[in-house]
Amino acid sequence: DQQVKQNSPSLSVQEGRISILNCDYTNSMFDYFLWYKKYPAEGPTFLISISSIKDKNEDGRFTVFLNKSAKHLSLHIVPSQPGDSAVYFCAARPSGNTPLVFGKGTRLSVIA
Amino acid sequence: NAGVMQNPRHLVRRRGQEARLRCSPMKGHSHVYWYRQLPEEGLKFMVYLQKENIIDESGMPKERFSAEFPKEGPSILRIQQVVRGDSAAYFCASSLSGTGDSRAFFGQGTRLTVV
Repeated sequence: DQQVKQNSPSLSVQEGRISILNCDYTNSMFDYFLWYKKYPAEGPTFLISISSIKDKNEDGRFTVFLNKSAKHLSLHIVPSQPGDSAVYFCAARPSGNTPLVFGKGTRLSVIA
Repeated sequence: NAGVMQNPRHLVRRRGQEARLRCSPMKGHSHVYWYRQLPEEGLKFMVYLQKENIIDESGMPKERFSAEFPKEGPSILRIQQVVRGDSAAYFCASSLSGTGDSRAFFGQGTRLTVV
């Protein structure tokens, strides 16, 4: 039973345009949501997070939107750059001492 | 380097041997998580430890796999009698606390190949 779903395995975007990565979740107890970026042969690195009490969090070119009623979040990258090409993982956790639950990831390719 | 350190980066074992994967968390972090990534799959949670305690091992196979995080020294993920299906990348992460939006910082991973 996959609690965090990233239904698009891959996405290609032109350099300079917007990249939108989507994530759906099923567990209504999730309180915190994080996005990680992963390059080949490296560990995931934290990108941005959002608490369930917010619906938007912005950090430079990266913005995460949360729609609790739809159990959906998205990561917007604008403008997209070739260095953004990586696998992006959505993760979530309930409150309390709990581990992060990850989606399967979306591979983003930014084409110059 | 104050990041999460995993070693070895690559590990080759023959079927039936034991594999030991080590993880030193970031300085000051007492929460450690182990994840496994199979080819073309996401990160699957295995076990969550806090110094000397296993908090959640719901993702760990019941047999052959064990983990510890002693008072002194790194966290160890041990796989006994490895099989080909154990071949994967194993990632360790650490965090300052286990709650809220406390970020988990990941190591570079150990790529286990069972031949």
